[in-house]
Amino acid sequence: SQTIHQWPATLVQPVGSPLSLECTVEGTSNPNLYWYRQAAGRGLQLLFYSVGIGQISSEVPQNLSASRPQDRQFILSSKKLLLSDSGFYLCAWSDTSYEQYFGPGTRLTVT
Amino acid sequence: DQQVKQNSPSLSVQEGRISILNCDYTNSMFDYFLWYKKYPAEGPTFLISISSIKDKNEDGRFTVFLNKSAKHLSLHIVPSQPGDSAVYFCAGISGTYKYIFGTGTRLKVLA
Repeated sequence: SQTIHQWPATLVQPVGSPLSLECTVEGTSNPNLYWYRQAAGRGLQLLFYSVGIGQISSEVPQNLSASRPQDRQFILSSKKLLLSDSGFYLCAWSDTSYEQYFGPGTRLTVT
Repeated sequence: DQQVKQNSPSLSVQEGRISILNCDYTNSMFDYFLWYKKYPAEGPTFLISISSIKDKNEDGRFTVFLNKSAKHLSLHIVPSQPGDSAVYFCAGISGTYKYIFGTGTRLKVLA
């Protein structure tokens, strides 16, 4: 069966520090991968999606970036965090069906 | 531009009664809709979906209705149970990869 992992589960970082969140999927090949953010009182905002290694599409211009160095690995990064980057970050995957499967999420607090 | 709207941020229902969660959309290009359920500090889990060519899909206690002319869909939970208490997100899919989520409705089922 397929599983999706995200780490860390929680993170507290100062403003201006770098960020690296990692997501890995097991049990499937060539998945579509997604990064979402849920800010306080808001819905799920799609940040990036990837249909293959090295292929990244950005939905929202910001100081975040994403990379997919391996088929089942998706990384969300920032060189300098802003206060507004605080939120709950979710990684998800999908295959040929429409259903997306979400990871457990990372709670990021920028202080 | 919020293409998917959930205008009720919260809803309280008595155990055993019907819960009706509503979702409106503006993008007529959506060809698939999904409902997700989310507990605090966890990733959303898939609940039920409906193709834009259908007007109803049922799965156990959960039924989703789609009214394309009104650009409206609703999720019915009958009977509601305390374990259904969570935040519910609807999402529309345009093309294969672009998922647009609503802001969510917090359902509280009272015992």
